[in-house]
Amino acid sequence: GAGVSQTPSNKVTEKGKYVELRCDPISGHTALYWYRQSLGQGPEFLIYFQGTGAADDSGLPNDRFFAVRPEGSVSTLKIQRTERGDSAVYLCASSLGVAGGQGTQYFGPGTRLLVL
Amino acid sequence: GENVEQHPSTLSVQEGDSAVIKCTYSDSASNYFPWYKQELGKGPQLIIDIRSNVGEKKDQRIAVTLNKTAKHFSLHITETQPEDSAVYFCAASTDSSASKIIFGSGTRLSIRP
Repeated sequence: GAGVSQTPSNKVTEKGKYVELRCDPISGHTALYWYRQSLGQGPEFLIYFQGTGAADDSGLPNDRFFAVRPEGSVSTLKIQRTERGDSAVYLCASSLGVAGGQGTQYFGPGTRLLVL
Repeated sequence: GENVEQHPSTLSVQEGDSAVIKCTYSDSASNYFPWYKQELGKGPQLIIDIRSNVGEKKDQRIAVTLNKTAKHFSLHITETQPEDSAVYFCAASTDSSASKIIFGSGTRLSIRP
């Protein structure tokens, strides 16, 4: 079946602009996660949804970052007033559930964001 | 919070030889340890995982060992092949927060023909 998909694959924007990054999880997966990966580093947790609600948003760096998942499937990560330091690969993952073996996270290919 | 350290940062081995990547973690409550492989331009792919109720797990040429007392876990790849070249990440989380996986900084593995 289809894996996690993310659009766009690349996004170039100017400092101060607003961007939206989209994630389509694996069908039937109830949990969805956003991570940010800087060059040469491992992914860093941003936020996690169980269904429609954000169960843990402790990784969001500041209030310029916001994410939604209104129908419990597709999610959008929104970044306001982008800064050059926001440049990174934004990864989305989904899992069937969160407990035990259901918590295995499957990653999408990521959106490469470049803020000029 | 949890901190995962990984080494080496780069590793080059001759095709056919074995590769070992080591990680340590800080939170004794962590009990789930996945390993991911990331190829250039792609997202991380789960290759093997282990839970703290076992000390070793093997899947064909890949094996992972866990020492809970020392808070160490390692990835072993035997009979390496060119397609094993990638960046490998270890990670840790607790069942109570399987939502938040803490990743190591990665190991770039190169297989020399």
